Amino acid sequence: QSALTQPASVSGSPGQSITISCTGTSSDVGSYNLVSWYQQHPGKAPKLMIYEVSKRPSGVSNRFSGSKSGNTASLTISGLQAEDEADYYCCSYAGSSTSLYVFGTGTKVTVL
Amino acid sequence: QVQLQESGPGLVKPSQTLSLTCTVSGGSISSGSYYWSWIRQPAGKGLEWIGRIYTSGSTNYNPSLKSRVTISVDTSKNQFSLKLSSVTAADTAVYYCARVDRNWYYFDYWGQGTLVTVSS
Repeated sequence: QSALTQPASVSGSPGQSITISCTGTSSDVGSYNLVSWYQQHPGKAPKLMIYEVSKRPSGVSNRFSGSKSGNTASLTISGLQAEDEADYYCCSYAGSSTSLYVFGTGTKVTVL
Repeated sequence: QVQLQESGPGLVKPSQTLSLTCTVSGGSISSGSYYWSWIRQPAGKGLEWIGRIYTSGSTNYNPSLKSRVTISVDTSKNQFSLKLSSVTAADTAVYYCARVDRNWYYFDYWGQGTLVTVSS
């Protein structure tokens, strides 16, 4: 099971919006609305930001939103802030025929 | 507030078995609503799912590691554990334990992670 494909880096200025893509296959992202997104600051554990493609856990800013089309999921951060600078990983459930969960390659978000 | 804490040796010799324990506090590991999972991250690299266990002891593993991995649960201690045999330098990573929502398959609580180095 190959990792989901994410851009290595995305950058934006404070206040701008950025979108991170997460491309999988018809066996994972395309088959299940079970995509989640995680934010990871250096030296810290990942933090859940989005689950079930577009739902936000309690306490996560509404500046974070998720969507999916076909085999590609996306995370959008609006009103970019300095504290958003981190690595972001997508994850999809992939079913019982393979690794149940597959993570993305990770995207480094830089706030200019 | 649920908290997870990994513990175990930070240094393991090649060919030996890596053993880690995750202690759960603020919630019962016997709750039927969750799986309990291990995930690892080599330095500067991405996340890799290792496996998960349910309170009943039922397990699922990443096929790429399945022949070397055993995950077990001790409900009396509110802990679950990871054993990875025949380790090599490629198994050097930060190892995280995490709680997994049983219905929607997301990792909502994570431990802080523990670095395990494989070296002689």
